[in-house]
Amino acid sequence: DIVMTQTPLSLSVTPGQPASISCKSSQSLLHSDGKTYLYWYLQKPGQSPQLLIYEVSSRFSGVPDRFSGSGSGTDFTLKISRVEAEDVGVYYCSQGIQLPLTFGGGTKVEIK
Amino acid sequence: QVQLVESGGGVVQPGRSLRLSCAASGFTFSNYGMHWVRQAPGKGLEWVAVLWYDGTTEYYADSVKGRFTISRDSSKNTLYLQMNSLRAEDTAVYYCARTGGVWNYCDYWGQGTLVTVSS
Repeated sequence: DIVMTQTPLSLSVTPGQPASISCKSSQSLLHSDGKTYLYWYLQKPGQSPQLLIYEVSSRFSGVPDRFSGSGSGTDFTLKISRVEAEDVGVYYCSQGIQLPLTFGGGTKVEIK
Repeated sequence: QVQLVESGGGVVQPGRSLRLSCAASGFTFSNYGMHWVRQAPGKGLEWVAVLWYDGTTEYYADSVKGRFTISRDSSKNTLYLQMNSLRAEDTAVYYCARTGGVWNYCDYWGQGTLVTVSS
């Protein structure tokens, strides 16, 4: 199984300031079809997870443009350009290049 | 809009069975594969199973293989998870989710249903 490792475990951010979360996979997520199967989800307090980013850098429908994803191969980053109060929750990265789908341990983002 | 509503959770004794349902609406159910993902209390996300859009192919996590069965009834727009031989470690919120791509990710998630395995 592919292991997904996220850092940091938690992040406390002042509103309006940027935030960054790192995700590393134990194997390359670049497929022979040219796509890289890396995804980001946000689970807000008391809610189910929601998709933020698919295939490294594409924002899902309705996701604000302050969220951006980057990276390649085994190293990926989610950035929030200016954190807002509604961004609190746990962020998970996930790989979809092979089954079983696996998720990182999560990064908890709080507001200072 | 896409809506997924799970039901069937509850408290069950170890070794017993439970069937979860996921009612789908707002999209053409028969065109999409579906996942089950679970989350133990206070823990992260664990993928459980996926079923292809046409019901022909299914895959399971090793932790549930041979005990859980995913199925669908496209006439009812409903996904199921039959859980047998339940163990304490199966205690979790179970989410159904629609596949993005063929099976590669989950684009829409339900609100979840809690399964507690306890004597």
